[in-house]
Amino acid sequence: DGGITQSPKYLFRKEGQNVTLSCEQNLNHDAMYWYRQDPGQGLRLIYYSQIVNDFQKGDIAEGYSVSREKKESFPLTVTSAQKNPTAFYLCASSNPSRGVQETQYFGPGTRLLVL
Amino acid sequence: AQKVTQAQTEISVVEKEDVTLDCVYETRDTTYYLFWYKQPPSGELVFLIRRNSFDEQNEISGRYSWNFQKSTSSFNFTITASQVVDSAVYFCALSEVYTTSGTYKYIFGTGTRLKVLA
Repeated sequence: DGGITQSPKYLFRKEGQNVTLSCEQNLNHDAMYWYRQDPGQGLRLIYYSQIVNDFQKGDIAEGYSVSREKKESFPLTVTSAQKNPTAFYLCASSNPSRGVQETQYFGPGTRLLVL
Repeated sequence: AQKVTQAQTEISVVEKEDVTLDCVYETRDTTYYLFWYKQPPSGELVFLIRRNSFDEQNEISGRYSWNFQKSTSSFNFTITASQVVDSAVYFCALSEVYTTSGTYKYIFGTGTRLKVLA
């Protein structure tokens, strides 16, 4: 079945440690996105990628990094520079067409906790 | 500025009651898209509906219906004869052009938690 997978489901980070969240999709979508969700808030865009080998900062990119070496994969690294990383992280993908906003489909999420 | 407001933080209803979730948006653009997503306790956002700004026709899908009114900048969601499985957080989102290259961006409301009691 086509879909988006995220791993791990739960991730624990120690102070000063970098951690990487995985996102894989087999929907053949060109665009992929990372969002952060805090309790009682909506989703906020961290990074997005419209095509392989290209990505752009979203609204809250500081303390995060990404790569897009393959169409199917868009890993997110939470660096030690991110001082408040505890949140729920959601990955999404879509097939954008110029002038048309295609629907974004979401993965199951990764919950990151700081030890 | 672009903004989505879901003023209802939490709603509780008894099973079989009808319930309406409100969504009010602000945008400068004439072309935009509106979405509703459901987030069950598992966490994944499930797509429910997409509507573009030129289509004000209301839509019904089973027990779900959506009322889009540009005059009041609202895109409300009604669940008829609610069920316990409808318990979730529901997000309304606005999408409009984000960059000069035409990239679209979603702006999410803060969500409405719906509790359907048996």
